[in-house]
Amino acid sequence: GAGVSQSPSNKVTEKGKDVELRCDPISGHTALYWYRQSLGQGLEFLIYFQGNSAPDKSGLPSDRFSAERTGGSVSTLTIQRTQQEDSAVYLCASSLAHGGAGGELFFGEGSRLTVL
Amino acid sequence: GESVGLHLPTLSVQEGDNSIINCAYSNSASDYFIWYKQESGKGPQFIIDIRSNMDKRQGQRVTVLLNKTVKHLSLQIAATQPGDSAVYFCAEKPGGSYIPTFGRGTSLIVHP
Repeated sequence: GAGVSQSPSNKVTEKGKDVELRCDPISGHTALYWYRQSLGQGLEFLIYFQGNSAPDKSGLPSDRFSAERTGGSVSTLTIQRTQQEDSAVYLCASSLAHGGAGGELFFGEGSRLTVL
Repeated sequence: GESVGLHLPTLSVQEGDNSIINCAYSNSASDYFIWYKQESGKGPQFIIDIRSNMDKRQGQRVTVLLNKTVKHLSLQIAATQPGDSAVYFCAEKPGGSYIPTFGRGTSLIVHP
């Protein structure tokens, strides 16, 4: 399909382990976002990539979180030494440059992370 | 009716009724406001947006109203259908920022 693809869809890990979450954006979309959604909550911004510019990391909750975007396309969100409070759905979204004409982001279905 | 508490605000309506979902935003410098719909197990899906120089915009069965005086945004859904059952999020994007900030969401339950 032509939508945003995320993997894995579900990940269960033990406290202290590292995890990697992958996002494959829509082809041609230069902007890529990571958000986190805890149960029954809104979306918490994590990081934003735009083309070759330096990413906006202002939403990353701690230095255990990092993200890369290789070749302006696929992005990987890495969480080191996972904690139980990291359990959430991690959502990736892409858009045309600077979020499109208005505000349309195209979201993937998310990666549900459970830290035991 | 609508209830707000520790859990996600919920609006329950009968099929065929009109629904109004409300959102208060915080940043008077926001220049775009967006509504998203999130069905269970899926990512949010764009519904409609409105620019700050407008106070009303209509789409298919949906209308967004913006009141900048009281920093209030609403989404009206006409003739609500069971397929409209989902969580609805408003988001705001401040001028000069490319990062939408999302509200907490409202759960809409449509009873057949």
